[in-house]
Amino acid sequence: ETGVTQSPTHLIKTRGQQVTLRCSSQSGHNTVSWYQQALGQGPQFIFQYYREEENGRGNFPPRFSGLQFPNYSSELNVNALELDDSALYLCASSLGQGLSGANVLTFGAGSRLTVL
Amino acid sequence: AQSVAQPEDQVNVAEGNPLTVKCTYSVSGNPYLFWYVQYPNRGLQFLLKYITGDNLVKGSYGFEAEFNKSQTSFHLKKPSALVSDSALYFCAVRRDSYSGAGSYQLTFGKGTKLSVIP
Repeated sequence: ETGVTQSPTHLIKTRGQQVTLRCSSQSGHNTVSWYQQALGQGPQFIFQYYREEENGRGNFPPRFSGLQFPNYSSELNVNALELDDSALYLCASSLGQGLSGANVLTFGAGSRLTVL
Repeated sequence: AQSVAQPEDQVNVAEGNPLTVKCTYSVSGNPYLFWYVQYPNRGLQFLLKYITGDNLVKGSYGFEAEFNKSQTSFHLKKPSALVSDSALYFCAVRRDSYSGAGSYQLTFGKGTKLSVIP
């Protein structure tokens, strides 16, 4: 089975620009969540999608938005980029109803975003 | 609110010696606890989890963790460290019951860098 794949692996943007990051879930997984990992920090929860709807969100502003598609793949969009948005963005998928706390997350390798 | 503390930024241990990476947590209700490992330029890999039952949980690559409810701790251990265990280790917590959107977010600690010296 394939794991979680993310693209692009690295990208550089300038302040004010917009970025779209993509994620393909592990086969059979129906829930996707996104995390931001700043340098030297642990991952921080951005949001979670289940059945193409956002069903959980962390402390991130509305310029962070997402989509989940019928094949369970997902996108993370960030508008009006700021310098502090520079980070590793991790996508994780899991199997379940989207509401089980015991679910193990399978992470992708991440997309490293640098904002200049 | 839920939180995780990993009090050590770095742990150094000689190869063959036992290792411990510390983690304490705070969560409303009962916790689900996880350990993940991150190698350079890689995503996080699941090591083990505590849901309920036996306080000693065994996981991948010979790692184990002990859940201590009174001390709200979930320390990661391994009897004999390998050089290949050198990586960044993250402890994470999630609550066990649903109370609205976002309940199942996984909250991570800042990570502990483990260096195993040959």
